[in-house]
Amino acid sequence: ELKVEQNPLFLSMQEGKNYTIYCNYSTTSDRLYWYRQDPGKSLESLFVLLSNGAVKQEGRLMASLDTKARLSTLHITAAVHDLSATYFCALSGGGADGLTFGKGTHLIIQP
Amino acid sequence: NAGVTQTPKFQVLKTGQSMTLQCAQDMNHNSMYWYRQDPGMGLRLIYYSASEGTTDKGEVPNGYNVSRLNKREFSLRLESAAPSQTSVYFCASSEAAGTVYEKLFFGSGTQLSVL
Repeated sequence: ELKVEQNPLFLSMQEGKNYTIYCNYSTTSDRLYWYRQDPGKSLESLFVLLSNGAVKQEGRLMASLDTKARLSTLHITAAVHDLSATYFCALSGGGADGLTFGKGTHLIIQP
Repeated sequence: NAGVTQTPKFQVLKTGQSMTLQCAQDMNHNSMYWYRQDPGMGLRLIYYSASEGTTDKGEVPNGYNVSRLNKREFSLRLESAAPSQTSVYFCASSEAAGTVYEKLFFGSGTQLSVL
């Protein structure tokens, strides 16, 4: 059974600080996804990581994938309030049953 | 482009009532999914349809049924609603499950309360 664990589940940080969200998973997979969800809204795709060593960056967010360690990270640089949201990692098991999601990291960035 | 459209956005039911959540996508995607989101639980897969004409159970299928009406539409039915089905329901679609084109596109969600 594929399991996806995120930590921390809740993070409160100040603007201007750096932090990393971790996503560990239990079985081999080459495809990992990061989504963002604003309160009361749907999920928006942020990054698609398709191979070992993949790194994607957009603005203050950077995601990476280490398939050997079964670990993905989402790094936030010089956080701003607009990045406050819940972030989910999701993993493909390679089958037809879609993606398996972590429980999400609720991120609050305070001025 | 509308993407993935879900209706209704909000619904309140009494225990034992039935209802159908509707979902349609206009991206010509092959695969469609229903997830539920509960606080602290992430998203859990209820049912999925890898392609038109097929449906399969996900992680939490009890109490639900689905219909893949055609390539565009995938509905979720609660035959006899229970308070444990109070949740936010998301429909999603992808171009092709189990491939590099499996990225999910989500609808706006249905907030369902069962009293």
